[in-house]
Amino acid sequence: QKEVEQDPGPLSVPEGAIVSLNCTYSNSAFQYFMWYRQYSRKGPELLMYTYSSGNKEDGRFTAQVDKSSKYISLFIRDSQPSDSATYLCASSNTDKLIFGTGTRLQVFP
Amino acid sequence: GAVVSQHPSRVICKSGTSVKIECRSLDFQATTMFWYRQFPKQSLMLMATSNEGSKATYEQGVEKDKFLINHASLTLSTLTVTSAHPEDSSFYICSARFSGEQFFGPGTRLTVL
Repeated sequence: QKEVEQDPGPLSVPEGAIVSLNCTYSNSAFQYFMWYRQYSRKGPELLMYTYSSGNKEDGRFTAQVDKSSKYISLFIRDSQPSDSATYLCASSNTDKLIFGTGTRLQVFP
Repeated sequence: GAVVSQHPSRVICKSGTSVKIECRSLDFQATTMFWYRQFPKQSLMLMATSNEGSKATYEQGVEKDKFLINHASLTLSTLTVTSAHPEDSSFYICSARFSGEQFFGPGTRLTVL
């Protein structure tokens, strides 16, 4: 079993839709949870960072962590074509980041 | 701020040659840098943690004699893929830690013929 599981997609939605991206993890010691966005042939950039359980909102993005079910979510409201990218979840309890495979998102006009 | 660069962005080499990839933190000093490898449609896999002035720490299954890491200064870490083979073809990404966060470089696409 991978430590972080993520549906690779692709996920295709119309502009303006609400997007829900999800990951599960197996290591109960994980305390830090991140979402990265990666455009094609580029390095990942940090979108959201959450410590332990709870919600965090930043503009159109909301990250949720449910430690009881080991479930991580990223919601994107009013999705835009510029949001088209691969979204990677990552978890850690130290410096070492464990990444999911990434979900490829396509937002069409 | 917190910009990380990599050079080259793309390299094609013949089997058996060695390739050096540079990772630089442009506007901050990084005592710790990380090297990842990403195969198509797969997640980033940590290869090694590079510490300035000391030996790198390699993840299980990563050959330290094949992937040489040198972190000679607080702004530069290099990864040398020695005697590269086609199965080493991948996307290599570095990151540098700053204020508790990892900032990633743009990646280097290595193709071994």
